[in-house]
Amino acid sequence: GDSVTQMEGPVTLSEEACLTINCTYTATGYPSLFWYVQYPGEGLQLLLKATKADDKGSNKGFEATYRKETTSFHLEKGSVQVSDSAVYFCALRGGQGNDMRFGAGTRLTVKP
Amino acid sequence: DGGITQSPKYLFRKEGQNVTLSCEQNLNHDAMYWYRQDPGQGLRLIYYSQIVNDFQKGDIAEGYSVSREKKESFPLTVTSAQKNPTAFYLCASSIAEYSNQPQHFGDGTRLSIL
Repeated sequence: GDSVTQMEGPVTLSEEACLTINCTYTATGYPSLFWYVQYPGEGLQLLLKATKADDKGSNKGFEATYRKETTSFHLEKGSVQVSDSAVYFCALRGGQGNDMRFGAGTRLTVKP
Repeated sequence: DGGITQSPKYLFRKEGQNVTLSCEQNLNHDAMYWYRQDPGQGLRLIYYSQIVNDFQKGDIAEGYSVSREKKESFPLTVTSAQKNPTAFYLCASSIAEYSNQPQHFGDGTRLSIL
């Protein structure tokens, strides 16, 4: 079945450093891909999405490009802030069936 | 603003007790979902419902029950049969007929054992 694999954390960066969180997927069909962010004690918020190959999703300085040839959707940000500290989840939907598949999550801590 | 409301934010359960977690949405979404999240782990699907009066088991349905009598509401009951209920519970919804659309989440309920 469909699955998502994302890099294990935790990831610790200094403020203004560059961020990349790797995400690869296995899916049949043509899924949509998503990144969610979870702040402490809260639910998941949709950060960005891409619905077809070569689409780039972007929001709040974060970007991710749907790469069908490498089955990847890596999350990037050029300069992180302390307020970006959270857990980030990669997810897909619309491959095999209607299920949403989540990665295990990557915890990011940004230090001043 | 449209959204998903979960209540209560914190809930405590005594041994042998059933407790019910509330989830209400005003997004006019057909599909609703319940997930369990344990510390440092990802999401596991408990139950989902694609339409009123219908629901399906997810990956970890044992010890849980749900109902879907109204489109807006999808309560989750954690029964006494669930031996390890301490977790963070998340409710979500989506437009069911478009399978590539994202799910939208509530702010969660944290359940603990007294």
